[in-house]
Amino acid sequence: NAGVTQTPKFRILKIGQSMTLQCTQDMNHNYMYWYRQDPGMGLKLIYYSVGAGITDKGEVPNGYNVSRSTTEDFPLRLELAAPSQTSVYFCASSSRATTPNYGYTFGSGTRLTVV
Amino acid sequence: DQQVKQNSPSLSVQEGRISILNCDYTNSMFDYFLWYKKYPAEGPTFLISISSIKDKNEDGRFTVFLNKSAKHLSLHIVPSQPGDSAVYFCAASANFGNEKLTFGTGTRLTIIP
Repeated sequence: NAGVTQTPKFRILKIGQSMTLQCTQDMNHNYMYWYRQDPGMGLKLIYYSVGAGITDKGEVPNGYNVSRSTTEDFPLRLELAAPSQTSVYFCASSSRATTPNYGYTFGSGTRLTVV
Repeated sequence: DQQVKQNSPSLSVQEGRISILNCDYTNSMFDYFLWYKKYPAEGPTFLISISSIKDKNEDGRFTVFLNKSAKHLSLHIVPSQPGDSAVYFCAASANFGNEKLTFGTGTRLTIIP
């Protein structure tokens, strides 16, 4: 049981480039989330999804896009990368059954540097 | 507006002693609270939770205390072990965990052998 898998683990982007951070989960969770963690700032919610075909903005959505075509996958797209998007990105998933007891299951993160 | 606050960015504790990590919240709608532990280069992992209908929850060496009137919770680790060295995040939710989690900024705990 792999849980939540994120790829790549590390990436360096040049300003203005674009990329997609991949996230997949095999727990049949209907809820999925993207967070970014900046030093001393905790985890900030970028986008979330309550099911396939449904996405919504979190606290810091600017500069990002998401899609949810399947229950398993929730990719995060960065268009026109900027240095302010240098961060560690975490994908997470949960279900109505698990959230009240265990919160979210997180992936191991993608460390992105924009230069 | 930081609705969940962890005012101590770091804490050092001798091995074998008690570690106490604190968390304050401002949103009175929060009724479910969790602690996550995070090692470097890994994602956060669930540690322990508490519902607002309780004021204490224990799981082995870990105990979480909730003071609703003060909007304050704390995580006690006793005895502290070197493997407890990590960053600890407090998180809160409304509707007994069925709303999105709001995270604090984290406290880096270092256990000194």
